[in-house]
Amino acid sequence: GENVEQHPSTLSVQEGDSAVIKCTYSDSASNYFPWYKQELGKRPQLIIDIRSNVGEKKDQRIAVTLNKTAKHFSLHITETQPEDSAVYFCAATDSWGKLQFGAGTQVVVTP
Amino acid sequence: GAVVSQHPSWVICKSGTSVKIECRSLDFQATTMFWYRQFPKQSLMLMATSNEGSKATYEQGVEKDKFLINHASLTLSTLTVTSAHPEDSSFYICSARSLAGDNDEQFFGPGTRLTVL
Repeated sequence: GENVEQHPSTLSVQEGDSAVIKCTYSDSASNYFPWYKQELGKRPQLIIDIRSNVGEKKDQRIAVTLNKTAKHFSLHITETQPEDSAVYFCAATDSWGKLQFGAGTQVVVTP
Repeated sequence: GAVVSQHPSWVICKSGTSVKIECRSLDFQATTMFWYRQFPKQSLMLMATSNEGSKATYEQGVEKDKFLINHASLTLSTLTVTSAHPEDSSFYICSARSLAGDNDEQFFGPGTRLTVL
């Protein structure tokens, strides 16, 4: 089955700096890669997603890149703000269309 | 659009009792609903996939007789935790995939915090 690995587990950045989170997946049939932001006690919130026919997607300060050959994808947050502090999860669909989540990255943005 | 609700948002029960959690898609029909469990400081772990009108598919290691899933309509799935024990205390989250349009995206409910005493 699909196995998604996510790094780093924690990330501390200064406000205004960029944050990068990286994920790898194992199932070459995976074709949908969403990223979620989760605040404590809340539901995961989709912030951006990418499909396998696209290499890069950007939405304001957030961008995602996908390398299907290497089976890895990354989240980039530029000009970080304190409200970006949260846990971020990457995920990938397996061949059954089920989402497999990475372990999560705790992002702390310090003013 | 694409709103998913869960009820209750939190529940405290005694060990040995059963608890039912509802997941509803409010403004769309969901072919498939998923149930996840999330322990503190951990990721979401898929428990089971629920398809309307058919039996749920459980992930390896999840006891189907303990976690009963019913998907009676295209807008409602229920998870019943039977004979709950303290180790079942967790954050249970459902998600739903739409019948129409882009059906890759899953829409998540707000979660149910279960505490078993």
